Amino acid sequence: QSALTQPPSASGSPGQSVTISCTGTSSDVGGYNYVSWYQQHPGKAPKLMTYEVSKRPSGVPDRFSGSKSGNTASLTVSGLQAEDEADYYCCSYAGSNNYVFGTGTKVTVL
Amino acid sequence: EVQLVESGGGLVQPGGSLRLSCAASGFIFSNYEMNWVRQAPGKGLEWVSYISSSASTIYYADSVKGRFTISRDNARNSLYLQMNSLRAEDTAVYYCARIATSPYYYYFHMDVWGKGTTVTVSS
Repeated sequence: QSALTQPPSASGSPGQSVTISCTGTSSDVGGYNYVSWYQQHPGKAPKLMTYEVSKRPSGVPDRFSGSKSGNTASLTVSGLQAEDEADYYCCSYAGSNNYVFGTGTKVTVL
Repeated sequence: EVQLVESGGGLVQPGGSLRLSCAASGFIFSNYEMNWVRQAPGKGLEWVSYISSSASTIYYADSVKGRFTISRDNARNSLYLQMNSLRAEDTAVYYCARIATSPYYYYFHMDVWGKGTTVTVSS
């Protein structure tokens, strides 16, 4: 199972929006509505930000939103804040209780 | 407080073995499926292994199949990863992660993560 493809980096000024893409195949992203996104600050554990493409766990700000079209999922962070600066990873269910992660995107708040 | 705490990491020589543990607290461990996920230094996350709540179903990534064994002890609220024939490329922080659950619905995302334990394979 190959890693999902994400851009290495993305950036935006405070208050702006940034969108991160996550491209897979019909065997993972395109085949299931089970894409989740995780935020990871340096030296910390990943934190769930969205699941099932566009749902948010309680406590996650509505500035974080997910979507999917075909084999590509996206995470948009609106109203960027300094604390949003982190690495972001997508993850897709790939059948038979297998999971595949994205290559990761470093988001910088300018 | 819902918590996962990994332990057992360390420095091991290539070809050696190590057993990781993950202690769960603050929730009914036996109700939850679990994953091990790893992250090599400076690299991204990689799914390693899955175990169902009753341990009846187990899956592994191709990169560890035949070398790693996942298990759990629901009476002890613990998850394990036995790692044999270790290679340099197994060097990583290993996280245990809880898969969300519901009485009515299957979920496929990880809602609770431990802080990780570091495994270094080097001579």
